[in-house]
Amino acid sequence: AQSVAQPEDQVNVAEGNPLTVKCTYSVSGNPYLFWYVQYPNRGLQFLLKYITGDNLVKGSYGFEAEFNKSQTSFHLKKPSALVSDSALYFCAVRDLSYNTDKLIFGTGTRLQVFP
Amino acid sequence: DTAVSQTPKYLVTQMGNDKSIKCEQNLGHDTMYWYKQDSKKFLKIMFSYNNKELIINETVPNRFSPKSPDKAHLNLHINSLELGDSAVYFCASSPSGGYGYTFGSGTRLTVV
Repeated sequence: AQSVAQPEDQVNVAEGNPLTVKCTYSVSGNPYLFWYVQYPNRGLQFLLKYITGDNLVKGSYGFEAEFNKSQTSFHLKKPSALVSDSALYFCAVRDLSYNTDKLIFGTGTRLQVFP
Repeated sequence: DTAVSQTPKYLVTQMGNDKSIKCEQNLGHDTMYWYKQDSKKFLKIMFSYNNKELIINETVPNRFSPKSPDKAHLNLHINSLELGDSAVYFCASSPSGGYGYTFGSGTRLTVV
């Protein structure tokens, strides 16, 4: 079965500094990978996805993610963090096992950006 | 227009009651899902429907019964509510091919 792991429960970064939220994956076949963000008391918002093509994927709100096949990673990055980026971030992978189609989520990483 | 809309947004009810959550998508997607987010924020798939047909039922108690009257709607009915059912329930939809999954804003269910 497919899975993703987010090794950090929380990431703290100062405003203006670059941020990285880590995700590693375990899949059979080619991975479809996603990042979602959840602001407090809000739903899940799509940030970006990797299906195929360029390893560097650009998404919403200035976020990008780098697909690294050799390291089986899909880390989320932003060059300059904003306080408003503080939220819960989920990495996810598409799972087609047992003839189903669903997203499997990581455990989430809480990003805290300090002024 | 909201792409995936759920009602109600908040639901507070007593143990033992029966309640329903409704979901509608206007994206023309073929597949709809219910996910549960527990108190630790873990997200887990519960059900999926493709063109009104149940595809996934992930070891969810029989008290939970999804119903899809048409491709654009997927409702979740819960019988005999228990304290442990308190969670946020997210509806989602996707087109064939898995190129994007759109989520609703969630329904926060509190069982007292």
